Amino acid sequence: DQQVKQNSPSLSVQEGRISILNCDYTNSMFDYFLWYKKYPAEGPTFLISISSIKDKNEDGRFTVFLNKSAKHLSLHIVPSQPGDSAVYFCAASMYYGGSQGNLIFGKGTKLSVKP
Amino acid sequence: GAVVSQHPSRVICKSGTSVKIECRSLDFQATTMFWYRQFPKKSLMLMATSNEGSKATYEQGVEKDKFLINHASLTLSTLTVTSAHPEDSSFYICSANPQRGYEQYFGPGTRLTVT
Repeated sequence: DQQVKQNSPSLSVQEGRISILNCDYTNSMFDYFLWYKKYPAEGPTFLISISSIKDKNEDGRFTVFLNKSAKHLSLHIVPSQPGDSAVYFCAASMYYGGSQGNLIFGKGTKLSVKP
Repeated sequence: GAVVSQHPSRVICKSGTSVKIECRSLDFQATTMFWYRQFPKKSLMLMATSNEGSKATYEQGVEKDKFLINHASLTLSTLTVTSAHPEDSSFYICSANPQRGYEQYFGPGTRLTVT
C-alpha cells in the first residue's frame, strides 16, 4: 500500500511557464513533507519542505502548497527553466518516539522543461 | 549546506564477493543514517535505518545477513553487500539526518554492478 503517491510519472512544460507537480498521501500522521530533485545517477537533492502546521512555503522560484484536508501537496516552479529538468520526489515523514522518522517517498515525476 | 559523501561512486565486482560502501556526513553529526536502493523506474526503497552505536533496523524483506550495516561514529555508516549476486546490482544511496533536524541529506549514490 503506497502511502505517498505521485500519480503523474512525467510532465512536460515550456520554459518560462509554471510547472506544477502533485503529490497525495494517505497517512494523516505525516507531519512533515519534502520535495527532492534528482538527476540521473546522482543522489536526491533537497529542494523545499513544509510542516503540517503551514499551508504554504516559498523559496525563490519554488513554492510548496499543503492541503491537509485533501491530503495533497504540490510543488510550483515559476518560471520553469531547462535546468529544472529532473525527477522530482515527494516525501513525507512523521515525528514519533522522540525522533524524526524515515522518509516515505513517492515514485517520482519526471519533469522536462523545453526551451 | 550539509554534505554527505559516498565511496566508492561506482564499483564492479564478481558474483560471490563482498563490497563495502561508505557514507560520511562531512560537516555535521548524524545520529541516524538511512540506506536506500533505487530500482529502475521505481522510487527509492528504504533498506535500513542505521543508528550510531546500535544495531540497524531493517525494512521488511531486506536480508540483514546479506546487507551488513555498521554505524561506527556520528559521521560514518557503512553498508556491506555480502556474497553479491547479479540481482544485487543497483544504485545504493545513503542519507543522513542531522541532530534535531527534519531534512535528510543524501549522498551522491553508489552504482554497484555484480558480474
